[in-house]
Amino acid sequence: AQSVAQPEDQVNVAEGNPLTVKCTYSVSGNPYLFWYVQYPNRGLQFLLKYITGDNLVKGSYGFEAEFNKSQTSFHLKKPSALVSDSALYFCAVRVNRDDKIIFGKGTRLHILP
Amino acid sequence: DAGVTQSPTHLIKTRGQQVTLRCSPKSGHDTVSWYQQALGQGPQFIFQYYEEEERQRGNFPDRFSGHQFPNYSSELNVNALLLGDSALYLCASSLYSTDNTEAFFGQGTRLTVV
Repeated sequence: AQSVAQPEDQVNVAEGNPLTVKCTYSVSGNPYLFWYVQYPNRGLQFLLKYITGDNLVKGSYGFEAEFNKSQTSFHLKKPSALVSDSALYFCAVRVNRDDKIIFGKGTRLHILP
Repeated sequence: DAGVTQSPTHLIKTRGQQVTLRCSPKSGHDTVSWYQQALGQGPQFIFQYYEEEERQRGNFPDRFSGHQFPNYSSELNVNALLLGDSALYLCASSLYSTDNTEAFFGQGTRLTVV
């Protein structure tokens, strides 16, 4: 069965420092991988995706993610964190183009001023 | 370009009642999926509609049903509400069978069952 793991419930980073939010996945087949962000009382906003090609993908708001097939990971990164990056981040995967999206349980990112 | 819109934003219902949630997909999208997000959890897939048919279904009971209209908008119906149905219900739209595989989400409907 397909699954996504986000091992950290919360990540605390000082403003201006680099941040990493971890994600690993388990699928039977080639994955389509996504990161979404959720602000309080809001829906999910798409940040970036990996389908194929370059393992480093760039997305919205300066975020990027690195696909590592051997480690089945898709960690979210940003070189310099902003207080406004504080939110709930979800890693997600789908196996086929039209398949359902499976989400991790989320990681709360807290950027300290 | 309107994104995904959901209505209502908040709803309070009593156990045993029935509820209907509505979703209009992003312009140009033809597929609607519904997700349930319980407090402190990631979204869980309920079902997906394309060409007015349910294409996939998650592990939800038959009390959860849906519909898609010719204009691609969709409804989620939940019968015989339970306290455990309290959650944020998210609608996501996408374009079927393309490489634009990301889904775009609405802001959700917060359902409280009392």
